[in-house]
Amino acid sequence: DADVTQTPRNRITKTGKRIMLECSQTKGHDRMYWYRQDPGLGLRLIYYSFDVKDINKGEISDGYSVSRQAQAKFSLSLESAIPNQTALYFCATSDPDRHGYTFGSGTRLTVV
Amino acid sequence: GENVEQHPSTLSVQEGDSAVIKCTYSDSASNYFPWYKQELGKRPQLIIDIRSNVGEKKDQRIAVTLNKTAKHFSLHITETQPEDSAVYFCAASAMSSGTYKYIFGTGTRLKVLA
Repeated sequence: DADVTQTPRNRITKTGKRIMLECSQTKGHDRMYWYRQDPGLGLRLIYYSFDVKDINKGEISDGYSVSRQAQAKFSLSLESAIPNQTALYFCATSDPDRHGYTFGSGTRLTVV
Repeated sequence: GENVEQHPSTLSVQEGDSAVIKCTYSDSASNYFPWYKQELGKRPQLIIDIRSNVGEKKDQRIAVTLNKTAKHFSLHITETQPEDSAVYFCAASAMSSGTYKYIFGTGTRLKVLA
């Protein structure tokens, strides 16, 4: 379960602040994803990356940006946090030969 | 756009009974259908998956069925136990730009009553 690590686990921040959520993995996977989980809405894709030079927007990318610093690291930033970005955020990785995702342990973000 | 609908949103069953969760998808190109279980406060974990060239797959008390014509797939849990209580997510995936991207359902909260 430590294969995909997210930091921080919990964070409370104020409206307008910039915040970065970090994800690192030891699985050697090229593909990494950021999802947001809200009650009743399931998991929605924010951004994804298939290798270090590849960044793609998901279905809800507005207000977010990402950086793929290395194969093992994929960071999500909120440039100016707003309360409706309060959610549980998951990073995930996948192997091109096996379709299943491995999720990180999540970051619970509260914007006040 | 692509969409996955999941029903019911909540499900309560008596221990030992069966539970069925259903999903429908809109993208006819979808060809991979995983199910994830998320226990309270934990990360989603893959429990079973099925590919479009197969109609049914079983793993002990868990099974998944797929009807490509109707574009729906279901998770079946038999002989439910309290530890089956969790939120279950279905997903559909189709090859896009050379790789797979999931669309998740909205989740089903399963409660197994002892």
